[in-house]
Amino acid sequence: AQKITQTQPGMFVQEKEAVTLDCTYDTSDPSYGLFWYKQPSSGEMIFLIYQGSYDQQNATEGRYSLNFQKARKSANLVISASQLGDSAMYFCAMREGGYGGATNKLIFGTGTLLAVQP
Amino acid sequence: DVKVTQSSRYLVKRTGEKVFLECVQDMDHENMFWYRQDPGLGLRLIYFSYDVKMKEKGDIPEGYSVSREKKERFSLILESASTNQTSMYLCASSPHRNEKLFFGSGTQLSVL
Repeated sequence: AQKITQTQPGMFVQEKEAVTLDCTYDTSDPSYGLFWYKQPSSGEMIFLIYQGSYDQQNATEGRYSLNFQKARKSANLVISASQLGDSAMYFCAMREGGYGGATNKLIFGTGTLLAVQP
Repeated sequence: DVKVTQSSRYLVKRTGEKVFLECVQDMDHENMFWYRQDPGLGLRLIYFSYDVKMKEKGDIPEGYSVSREKKERFSLILESASTNQTSMYLCASSPHRNEKLFFGSGTQLSVL
């Protein structure tokens, strides 16, 4: 069965430092997609970054990068130069099924609560 | 921008009541989803729909049903609310072949 594991329930980071949020996954499907979402206290889920299983390079979006290690089945999120507004819950997720699948159903990890300290 | 709107931000109901959670999206997306979010459990999929009048069970469908009579609207129904259904409910939508889900702001449901 497909599964996403986030082993860090919570983390602290100093403002302006980099932080890595861990995510490991398990799937037998050779084609899959990995996502990171941010959920601030307002509750809305905000898409951050996406990595496809066949992508050759690690995904980057501004201060966010995804450290994709396929052999280890890990997809860690790296946030550079942390800001106070980065304080939020972060979820790793995986899309079941092949590329462009009709349903785009996502399974989620349990989340990591990040607190950025001034 | 895509907008996914959930009708209520907070909702308080009594056990045994029939509860409707409404979700509307304005981008003509084929796929719509209902998740519930609980501390320590992350988001779990209740039901999803990939077309009008179509529905599929997710991982935790027990105690819930859904309705999708129009493409833009996906309703989650609690036939007889119970205290263990107290949770944050998140609706999401996505285009047919797009990878990203767009989420609403969530409904915090308390069943007393």
